[in-house]
Amino acid sequence: EAGVVQSPRYKIIEKKQPVAFWCNPISGHNTLYWYRQNLGQGPELLIRYENEEAVDDSQLPKDRFSAERLKGVDSTLKIQPAELGDSAVYLCASSWTNEQYFGPGTRLTVT
Amino acid sequence: GQNIDQPTEMTATEGAIVQINCTYQTSGFNGLFWYQQHAGEAPTFLSYNVLDGLEEKGRFSSFLSRSKGYSYLLLKELQMKDSASYLCAVRDSTGGFKTIFGAGTRLFVKA
Repeated sequence: EAGVVQSPRYKIIEKKQPVAFWCNPISGHNTLYWYRQNLGQGPELLIRYENEEAVDDSQLPKDRFSAERLKGVDSTLKIQPAELGDSAVYLCASSWTNEQYFGPGTRLTVT
Repeated sequence: GQNIDQPTEMTATEGAIVQINCTYQTSGFNGLFWYQQHAGEAPTFLSYNVLDGLEEKGRFSSFLSRSKGYSYLLLKELQMKDSASYLCAVRDSTGGFKTIFGAGTRLFVKA
């Protein structure tokens, strides 16, 4: 069984530039999560989808972050414009019941 | 609100037993998870407790006391590959079953 796939794995951009991350969850998992993880910290939820509906986006900085999950499968997270403080690892996870399966993450560096 | 506390770092010797504690405060407890995260990698699921007591899975065991807001992860017969961060996470039913992660405990296993 294929795991959660994310791309790109690494991204370096200058501040004020846009960036997008893509996630393909495990087949059949209807719940999809985007997390941000800073060094030495645990993952922080940005948004959670149940199928194509965003059921929790309370932690998403909506002035610059957006996300979509068309057809309830793949998802894209976008930042526009990026700020220095956005440098972090962006993790996508999916679940069917309790445990979450994480993708390898995208390490974003904003210079 | 939610709050999760766990030690920042621990060191133990190969072959020994180590216990990583986690205390939490939440208004709508709906399960506690432990994840393992090696440096530069994604978190992987270790255990899930929703009822009081001990859950054993091979060399790893997890304990929960809901009345005390307390859990621990017990690692037996430590191996060098167990050097990683261990994340305690609590699911809260208020606000739509959000999972909150602690900052993690970095475990160093020495020979």
